[in-house]
Amino acid sequence: TQLLEQSPQFLSIQEGENLTVYCNSSSVFSSLQWYRQEPGEGPVLLVTVVTGGEVKKLKRLTFQFGDARKDSSLHITAAQPGDTGLYLCAGRGGNKLTFGGGTRVLVKP
Amino acid sequence: DTAVSQTPKYLVTQMGNDKSIKCEQNLGHDTMYWYKQDSKKFLKIMFSYNNKELIINETVPNRFSPKSPDKAHLNLHINSLELGDSAVYFCASSQGLGARWGLGYTFGSGTRLTVV
Repeated sequence: TQLLEQSPQFLSIQEGENLTVYCNSSSVFSSLQWYRQEPGEGPVLLVTVVTGGEVKKLKRLTFQFGDARKDSSLHITAAQPGDTGLYLCAGRGGNKLTFGGGTRVLVKP
Repeated sequence: DTAVSQTPKYLVTQMGNDKSIKCEQNLGHDTMYWYKQDSKKFLKIMFSYNNKELIINETVPNRFSPKSPDKAHLNLHINSLELGDSAVYFCASSQGLGARWGLGYTFGSGTRLTVV
């Protein structure tokens, strides 16, 4: 069974601060995705990383895939209240997409 | 236009009852999924269908029976509901089984099932 662990589980910061969320596994994934989920809604895809060492940027969000394709990080620069939500990483192995336990991010105005 | 729609949004029912959740996608995807999200927000795959064929069946009690009448629909029927079945159930769809790495899953907005 492939497991993904996210840390921290909860993060509360002030608007304008930076934050980093980590996603780690002992398994190698062919690709890794990050989703954001808001209350009462389903997860929404933010990005997919495929190549070891790959870095992708989405406005103030920076995603990195580890060289060994076992871990990933999400960095948010100058966080805003609109960034509040549950961030989920998901690794693909075969036909299955396995999700991490999520990091709840709260950005206070 | 809602891409993946689930009904109902909320479902409150007594133990022992049988209930169904319906899911429809209008994205033209060929693969659909059911995920269960528990109170700690952990999302776990239950079933996956590709072109109406069951391809993933995780360790789920056989009280849960998925049915895919066509590629655009995947329903979930639950017999003899138990307290532990209370959770949010998400339907999702994707194109293909993962060959196109850049494509993610599109999720519905979930069905909150409460068994009392």
